[in-house]
Amino acid sequence: AQKITQTQPGMFVQEKEAVTLDCTYDTSDQSYGLFWYKQPSSGEMIFLIYQGSYDEQNATEGRYSLNFQKARKSANLVISASQLGDSAMYFCAILDFGNEKLTFGTGTRLTIIP
Amino acid sequence: EAGVTQFPSHSVIEKGQTVTLRCDPISGHDNLYWYRRVMGKEIKFLLHFVKESKQDESGMPNNRFLAERTGGTYSTLKVQPAELEDSGVYFCASSQDSDYPYEQYFGPGTRLTVT
Repeated sequence: AQKITQTQPGMFVQEKEAVTLDCTYDTSDQSYGLFWYKQPSSGEMIFLIYQGSYDEQNATEGRYSLNFQKARKSANLVISASQLGDSAMYFCAILDFGNEKLTFGTGTRLTIIP
Repeated sequence: EAGVTQFPSHSVIEKGQTVTLRCDPISGHDNLYWYRRVMGKEIKFLLHFVKESKQDESGMPNNRFLAERTGGTYSTLKVQPAELEDSGVYFCASSQDSDYPYEQYFGPGTRLTVT
């Protein structure tokens, strides 16, 4: 079974600062994928970034980067130069390539302060 | 290209009633998934269709839940009879096997409240 742990239920960050959202995972699979999704107040789940377990480089997508530390089983999301529009719930998830099932953490509610 | 759509966006029903949720995946996506988030808890997998076949329904809570995907296009999730603990947000997602990185595109969710 796979498990995602997000230990920060809520975070407040000043606008323009960088923020790191923590995510640790547990899996017995050798090959897996790690995802971050953003859920704004409107409710939809927006894909942000993906990291494959065999990818040697950390994934980056614009202001988002994933700090992947395989030995520590962590996949933290880093948002640089935060904006007011970044205020949302953020979910970390792991994908089992075998059954294509996503397992999510409980999420972190990020609030950007002007 | 239209994204994943779900109907209704909100539903409020009484305990014991029946509710049917609908999901229209992205056109051409063979994979369709249902997930649920109960208040304050993590989003949990319910089941996975590949075209019209149920690939994995290990997350379905009990036999009050019935999912169908006739013709391999849209899917319905029926709850009958609904119980209070069924309240939550039901998400649908779709993906195409040829896509990398296996991204599942999520719909906006249906918020179900059972009173």
